[in-house]
Amino acid sequence: AQSVTQPDIHITVSEGASLELRCNYSYGATPYLFWYVQSPGQGLQLLLKYFSGDTLVQGIKGFEAEFKRSQSSFNLRKPSVHWSDAAEYFCAVGGNYGGSQGNLIFGKGTKLSVKP
Amino acid sequence: KAGVTQTPRYLIKTRGQQVTLSCSPISGHRSVSWYQQTPGQGLQFLFEYFSETQRNKGNFPGRFSGRQFSNSRSEMNVSTLELGDSALYLCASSRSTSGQETQYFGPGTRLLVL
Repeated sequence: AQSVTQPDIHITVSEGASLELRCNYSYGATPYLFWYVQSPGQGLQLLLKYFSGDTLVQGIKGFEAEFKRSQSSFNLRKPSVHWSDAAEYFCAVGGNYGGSQGNLIFGKGTKLSVKP
Repeated sequence: KAGVTQTPRYLIKTRGQQVTLSCSPISGHRSVSWYQQTPGQGLQFLFEYFSETQRNKGNFPGRFSGRQFSNSRSEMNVSTLELGDSALYLCASSRSTSGQETQYFGPGTRLLVL
């Protein structure tokens, strides 16, 4: 079955420290992978996406993610976290497997807190 | 270009009532998907519409329904509301129904069922 796992429910980092949020997926075909961010009471904003090609993708706000097919992972990274990055981060997988077009499967999310 | 808009933003209903939520996609987008977000279950896919046709449906009871109009605007309806329907309902639009299309999300409608 298709699924996305974000093993860390809550992460706290100090401002200026580096960040890595983990994401593992299970998908029966070529996955299209996304990272979204959600601030409290808001909708989801797309940070970056991977469809094909270079496995290291750059996104907005200084975020990047690396697709590793052998590990079924798509981890999100940022070299230096800012206080405004505090939010909840969702990894999602989509594709054309089993008639699932238009259906994104989301992980449970990782809540990021930033210490001053 | 204007983003995805959802109305109303907040709604309070009582058990047994029905509710209709509205979503206007980004101009030029023809696919609209709906998701339910709750603290316990996370983000779950409800259904997707493309060219006024439901293309895909998640695992929700028949009380949840939707439709799409010729201008791509979409509505979802929940009948006979239950307490467990309290959630943030998110609408997302994309240019087509291909899995490779990016979905852009609206701010959501927060529904509270009392």
